[in-house]
Parts: sequence; structure tokens; C-alpha cells
Amino acid sequence: TQLLEQSPQFLSIQEGENLTVYCNSSSVFSSLQWYRQEPGEGPVLLVTVVTGGEVKKLKRLTFQFGDARKDSSLHITAAQPGDTGLYLCAGRIQGAQKLVFGQGTRLTINP
Amino acid sequence: SAVISQKPSRDICQRGTSLTIQCQVDSQVTMMFWYRQQPGQSLTLIATANQGSEATYESGFVIDKFPISRPNLTFSTLTVSNMSPEDSSIYLCSVLKGQTYGYTFGSGTRLTVV
Repeated sequence: TQLLEQSPQFLSIQEGENLTVYCNSSSVFSSLQWYRQEPGEGPVLLVTVVTGGEVKKLKRLTFQFGDARKDSSLHITAAQPGDTGLYLCAGRIQGAQKLVFGQGTRLTINP
Repeated sequence: SAVISQKPSRDICQRGTSLTIQCQVDSQVTMMFWYRQQPGQSLTLIATANQGSEATYESGFVIDKFPISRPNLTFSTLTVSNMSPEDSSIYLCSVLKGQTYGYTFGSGTRLTVV
């Protein structure tokens, strides 16, 4: 059983379109992080959300943490080929230091 | 944030042998972790490396197969023992520095067992 369900696992869209990636769980997290990973590299942190209902923006990327701190979303506006990569959500379990990861979303933006 | 040097970056090993992966951090960190990432998949936590004591392993991972050392607050090793082709994967070191800096990942070790 996957603690964090991430969807979709694969997404291929045209440049300029918008997209949303979701992470859902029945567990409450003390924080949730979004990473992007390029081939041959480790994941690179994009954002950490901590407070229920929190919204953070990073240029064309908008991250939201659910009110109950059980789910999160990543929305990309006007996607560009440079956004192509593997996007990972990861939740920090309450009372623990470790992260649990979603299955990842492999995003391809076609010119 | 912390800067991680992970070595080797890749290796091809014979089945039945062992490989030790090193993770060096440029500053003292609170926590160190080891993950496995199988081709095309997400990350699975192997264990938390504890400084001066035995690592804490996740379900499905055992010390005999993945012995871990952490002699100080900046260095850890993961050994993949008695390797089989099923161990072919990317192994990643991750660190947590304090409570506000977030988690940083090394660039990974791509292991192929033949």
C-alpha cells in the first residue's frame, strides 16, 4: 500500500498548456515537499509546505497544501519544454524525521 | 543547504561481490538517510543512518544485506552485500540539516550488477 498516492504517473502535453499533479494520502503530514529530478541527478527541492491551506508560488509553479495536511497539488501554468522531468512529492510523517515519497510524475512538455 | 559528495557515481559489479558507497557532507547534519530508486520509479527509504549506533532499517531491508556506518556527523557509508542483478538500482544519500533547511540529496550511485 502506497502511503502517498501521486497522479498522474505519466503526463505528456504541448507547450503552453496548463497541468496539475496531485498527491493524496489518508495520513497527516507535518510538512510536504515537492522535488524535481533530472536523469543522472538526485532530486532537487522545489518547495516545502507546512501549514494546512498554504499556497506557495515559484514563477509558473503553484503549490498547495490541503487544509487537513493530507494532500497537495502542483499546478504549472503555460508549461515549457524546460519543465520536462520527474516530479516527486514527499511527506514528512508527524513525529518522525523520514520522508515518504509518492510514485512520481514523469512530465514531458512537447514543443 | 548542505552540499553532498556521493561516490562512486556509477559502477558495474559482478554478482556475489559487495560495493560500498560513500556520502560526504560539507557540514554537520542532523540526519542522514539512504534511499533506493529502481529504474523509472520513485524513491524507497532503506534506512536512517544513526551517528555512533546501528542504523534504523525500513521494512524489507536488513543489516546483513545493507550494512550502514555513520562514524560522525558528516559521513556515512552504505554497503550492498552479496549483490544480485535485482540490486541494480540508483542508491541515494540524503541529509536533513536542522529543521528549516529541508532535505538535500546526493546525485546518486548508479549500480549495475551483472
